[in-house]
Amino acid sequence: AQKITQTQPGMFVQEKEAVTLDCTYDTSDPSYGLFWYKQPSSGEMIFLIYQGSYDQQNATEGRYSLNFQKARKSANLVISASQLGDSAMYFCAMLGAGSYQLTFGKGTKLSVIP
Amino acid sequence: EAQVTQNPRYLITVTGKKLTVTCSQNMNHEYMSWYRQDPGLGLRQIYYSMNVEVTDKGDVPEGYKVSRKEKRNFPLILESPSPNQTSLYFCASSLKAWQPQHFGDGTRLSIL
Repeated sequence: AQKITQTQPGMFVQEKEAVTLDCTYDTSDPSYGLFWYKQPSSGEMIFLIYQGSYDQQNATEGRYSLNFQKARKSANLVISASQLGDSAMYFCAMLGAGSYQLTFGKGTKLSVIP
Repeated sequence: EAQVTQNPRYLITVTGKKLTVTCSQNMNHEYMSWYRQDPGLGLRQIYYSMNVEVTDKGDVPEGYKVSRKEKRNFPLILESPSPNQTSLYFCASSLKAWQPQHFGDGTRLSIL
């Protein structure tokens, strides 16, 4: 069985500062994919970034980057230059090649302070 | 506009009264999935479908049924709803399983 752990229920960050949201995972699949989604207070789920287990480089999408450490089984999301609009719930998720099930963590609530 | 459409958006019903939440996507996606979101638990996958006529259980399938008779539609059926199925439900789709999923706006179900 695969498992995603997000150890930070809530975090605060000052506007314009960088913030790292933690995600660790556990799987027996040699091939898997890691996703980050954002859920603002309005409720919609927004895809942010994807990292494949065999990707050589860390994924980057605009202000979002993924600090992927395969040996440690961690896939932390880094948001640079935080904006007020970044205040939201953030979910890490994993899809394993063996089952094609998508497993989510419990989420981290990020609050950006002006 | 590319989208995943769920209906209804809100529903209050009573225990035991069968209900169906519809989900439709207009992006010709192969992979579709249903999730429930509960406070403190994140999203949990109920069922997923790799393609037409191919469905499989997720982490919390008990009490739910699905079907995939057409590529665009993936309804979620609660044959005999119970209060513990009160939740926020999301349908999602992607071109392939490995690609990012597009989510519907969610359906809030309250079962009394």
